Amino acid sequence: KQEVTQIPAALSVPEGENLVLNCSFTDSAIYNLQWFRQDPGKGLTSLLLIQSSQREQTSGRLNASLDKSSGRSTLYIAASQPGDSATYLCAGTGGYGQNFVFGPGTRLSVLP
Amino acid sequence: KAGVTQTPRYLIKTRGQQVTLSCSPISGHRSVSWYQQTPGQGLQFLFEYFSETQRNKGNFPGRFSGRQFSNSRSEMNVSTLELGDSALYLCASSFDREGTYEQYFGPGTRLTVT
Repeated sequence: KQEVTQIPAALSVPEGENLVLNCSFTDSAIYNLQWFRQDPGKGLTSLLLIQSSQREQTSGRLNASLDKSSGRSTLYIAASQPGDSATYLCAGTGGYGQNFVFGPGTRLSVLP
Repeated sequence: KAGVTQTPRYLIKTRGQQVTLSCSPISGHRSVSWYQQTPGQGLQFLFEYFSETQRNKGNFPGRFSGRQFSNSRSEMNVSTLELGDSALYLCASSFDREGTYEQYFGPGTRLTVT
């Protein structure tokens, strides 16, 4: 059974810092990986998708990478802003047509 | 393009009742997945429907069921509600093309069971 861990569970940083969030899967055979953010009481917003043929994706200040040999992914946020404060979740699927398995999330607070 | 919509947004029910939640996916998306989110258990997968067929199922009791219509809209039903069913229920839709399987989430339905 696929299990996902995210480290750290919570993080508080001053505005402007660069930071890294980590995600690890017990089964390294990840087909697609997706990073989301969730604001309190809201749905999930997709940030980045790493498709089966990719190892990395970038969007603005965000960069996500996936090491398929270890089943580990990192989300890099550059020059953090207070608006980045949210819970960040990673999710992966083991193959086409299989459901996504989610990590517990990292709660990020960026202080002005 | 309109996003994923869920109705109702909030619901209060009593133990023993049943409830039906609705999800309308993004136009053109054929896959709809349902999740339960609670503070203690996080996001847990309920089931996924693709072209009106249940393709995947999570580890939930039979009280939780779902279906998908020909227009891809989906409903989930919970019978004989228990206090522990109080949660945020999220649905996600996906276009679902091999190699690319990106999920887009709706705002969720907050269910409170008293």
